[in-house]
Amino acid sequence: NAGVTQTPKFRILKIGQSMTLQCTQDMNHNYMYWYRQDPGMGLKLIYYSVGAGITDKGEVPNGYNVSRSTTEDFPLRLELAAPSQTSVYFCASSQGKGGVAPLHFGNGTRLTVT
Amino acid sequence: GENVEQHPSTLSVQEGDSAVIKCTYSDSASNYFPWYKQELGKRPQLIIDIRSNVGEKKDQRIAVTLNKTAKHFSLHITETQPEDSAVYFCAAPIGDTGRRALTFGSGTRLQVQP
Repeated sequence: NAGVTQTPKFRILKIGQSMTLQCTQDMNHNYMYWYRQDPGMGLKLIYYSVGAGITDKGEVPNGYNVSRSTTEDFPLRLELAAPSQTSVYFCASSQGKGGVAPLHFGNGTRLTVT
Repeated sequence: GENVEQHPSTLSVQEGDSAVIKCTYSDSASNYFPWYKQELGKRPQLIIDIRSNVGEKKDQRIAVTLNKTAKHFSLHITETQPEDSAVYFCAAPIGDTGRRALTFGSGTRLQVQP
């Protein structure tokens, strides 16, 4: 199993541009999450999904959108990139009920907005 | 207030000493408490977790204790080694039943001096 795969690994965006961060998992996990980690800081929950067709806002959802059309994929969309969105983005998945099972993280996407 | 508070933010110990990191949480319904280790430039990785039906769990040099009455849990590392140097995060679940997700503490940077 590849686990959780994120693409791209790095990206530089100009202010106002848009992009989609891709995340896919091959473990058949129902639960998937997006976190962001600012330099030297902790992980903040952006959005999460408890299954295909269901998404919920986390702590810092503004400026982002998600969709979950399949169990495997959970893309994160930035519509109008801002410097405040410069961060490392981690996608994660978990087996079983959300919040009570270990998270499997991807390797992250390092995004810079200038 | 924060859902999960973590202290201290930095901790420096001599090799062979013990290290203790503490977290408090606000949601009395929380029932799962993991600890993650993140090395520089890497993704967070689970090192130990505990569920609310036990008070302590050990795995070699690492242990976690839980006090549900006081709503706090702690990570204990004994006989620290230089390779234990990393950032450690605690987490606890938040959200409505069936749609919960892990919220992370702000992290503790542990430095083990050889």
